[in-house]
Amino acid sequence: EVQLVESGGGLVQPGRSLRLSCVASGFTFDDYAMHWVRQAPGKGLEWVSGISWNSGTIHYADSVKGRFTISRDNAKDSLYLQMNSLRAEDMALYYCAKDAFSGNLGSDTFDIWGQGTMVTVS
Amino acid sequence: QSVLTQPPSASGTPGQRVTISCSGSSSNIGSNSVNWYQQVPGTAPKLLIYSNNQRPSGVPDRFSGSKSGTSASLAISGPQSEDEADYYCATWDDSLNGGVFGGGTQLTVL
Repeated sequence: EVQLVESGGGLVQPGRSLRLSCVASGFTFDDYAMHWVRQAPGKGLEWVSGISWNSGTIHYADSVKGRFTISRDNAKDSLYLQMNSLRAEDMALYYCAKDAFSGNLGSDTFDIWGQGTMVTVS
Repeated sequence: QSVLTQPPSASGTPGQRVTISCSGSSSNIGSNSVNWYQQVPGTAPKLLIYSNNQRPSGVPDRFSGSKSGTSASLAISGPQSEDEADYYCATWDDSLNGGVFGGGTQLTVL
């Protein structure tokens, strides 16, 4: 079964750090770009960051640039998001998402999503 | 304020055709294909339409998508009660070098 499972969310004070993880199964992880998308309570979807198959290309939303770092370990079929200097506005459900077709960045086509991990900043 | 603009709500009966619009600019919709996601409250989003008008396997053919210039739209012909959900348009933005979503449209089936 194709699956993404996130972990690492929790309650954190403003200014502190948190590291999210996403483990993939059921597909060849290093064939695809991967992304983080978040959703604040009662709000819409916001793309956070994306990473190409070989980590050669990485992009961030302006709202997290300089504070968040995306990375992946293809040997462990895992995606990560290191979040530093957390703010109240970072509080959201964070989804890991798989690019539907490509190992490169440049589309917003996510065919597999995890169940999300909640980050509370307070 | 989302980069892509959608109406906050839409509604229709099972006998109607409902359309949801998505407006962008030359750096996003004007340059890239558009995707649509369906999100039932409390669940993860689901890819509904990709590459402007393609349906993934398993998506009913009452859902269709189109794009013209810097706008796109999602049409639902004869919405069913199970289609009550939030719908998001999405694409890549070449100026921002990132993904962008619309603010979402909540569909109510009357």
